[in-house]
Amino acid sequence: DGGITQSPKYLFRKEGQNVTLSCEQNLNHDAMYWYRQDPGQGLRLIYYSQIVNDFQKGDIAEGYSVSREKKESFPLTVTSAQKNPTAFYLCASRRLQGGNQPQHFGDGTRLSIL
Amino acid sequence: DAKTTQPNSMESNEEEPVHLPCNHSTISGTDYIHWYRQLPSQGPEYVIHGLTSNVNNRMASLAIAEDRKSSTLILHRATLRDAAVYYCILRDESNSGYALNFGKGTSLLVTP
Repeated sequence: DGGITQSPKYLFRKEGQNVTLSCEQNLNHDAMYWYRQDPGQGLRLIYYSQIVNDFQKGDIAEGYSVSREKKESFPLTVTSAQKNPTAFYLCASRRLQGGNQPQHFGDGTRLSIL
Repeated sequence: DAKTTQPNSMESNEEEPVHLPCNHSTISGTDYIHWYRQLPSQGPEYVIHGLTSNVNNRMASLAIAEDRKSSTLILHRATLRDAAVYYCILRDESNSGYALNFGKGTSLLVTP
């Protein structure tokens, strides 16, 4: 079945450590997105990419980095500069052609500080 | 982006219809109205979207006011599996690469 796979489901980070969250899609979607969700809150956009080798900052990009070397993959690195990384991280993808296509989400990665 | 206003929470009995309201008084002519829902510990799931006319699909119906300043998501027969946070989002298709602007949504509780 086509979909979005995020891994790992749970991740723990030590102080001063960078960690990378994986997001893979086999939907042949052009655009991919990373969101952060804090308890009881909505989703906030971290980064998005519409095409391979190009990406744009969202509302809360500080302390995060991304790459888009392949169409199907959009990994997110949470760097040590992100002082409050504990959150639920969601990856999404979307087809750009055809007008008003919905976003498809993965099941998320829950990141905690050790 | 134009903003939406939703109640923080609503409650419904199982097997009864649910009407989830959304106000968007600053909506522009090119904004589509999208609805997503998020079950606990899962990613959001697309429900329905529309521009001006009412829309129906297998999950729900979307009723859009004539002036487009409000809309209502209708679940025809609520089940326990419909308990989730429902997000009403405006999206301008001219910004096709842009992400969705999720607010806090409405938390729907369904009781047996």
